[in-house]
Amino acid sequence: AQTVTQSQPEMSVQEAETVTLSCTYDTSESDYYLFWYKQPPSRQMILVIRQEAYKQQNATENRFSVNFQKAAKSFSLKISDSQLGDAAMYFCAYRGSARQLTFGSGTQLTVLP
Amino acid sequence: ETGVTQSPTHLIKTRGQQVTLRCSSQSGHNTVSWYQQALGQGPQFIFQYYREEENGRGNFPPRFSGLQFPNYSSELNVNALELDDSALYLCASSQTGNYGYTFGSGTRLTVV
Repeated sequence: AQTVTQSQPEMSVQEAETVTLSCTYDTSESDYYLFWYKQPPSRQMILVIRQEAYKQQNATENRFSVNFQKAAKSFSLKISDSQLGDAAMYFCAYRGSARQLTFGSGTQLTVLP
Repeated sequence: ETGVTQSPTHLIKTRGQQVTLRCSSQSGHNTVSWYQQALGQGPQFIFQYYREEENGRGNFPPRFSGLQFPNYSSELNVNALELDDSALYLCASSQTGNYGYTFGSGTRLTVV
């Protein structure tokens, strides 16, 4: 079974600075998708960024980018120019052939003004 | 886009009762999945429906059941509620071939 591990329960960053959230996963599959979701107090999961495992190029979405290391099974999220609205719980998630999302335990990000 | 809507937003039930949670999928999405998120944890996959048939299930007992309707709306039913069933229940819809998932804001279930 696939597992997703987020080893940082809490992180904080100064507004306008850069922060990196870590995620590792375990799988025997070669074709899969990885996601970062943001969950603000409103509870709705919002997709931040997605990475296809067959793509070597790291995904980027504006201020959000990932460092995908397939051999190391690592998938970290970098947030540049952090804003107060980035404060939320961030979840790393895996989707393989089973067509379900497997989530990590989350990282609570605080942005300090 | 209409997004994913869930009802009710909050619910309190007594142990042993039954509950039905509802989800209206995003327009054009034919797959719906349900997740249980206990406080302070990541969501856990319950099951998934595609064209009204269950096509994936997580490690949840049979008292968790579901339905998907022709209009792609969905229900999650939980029988014989237990205190540990207290959680946020999230519904997510997606479209075949598109691996993006749209989540609703969830139903907060409290079992007392």
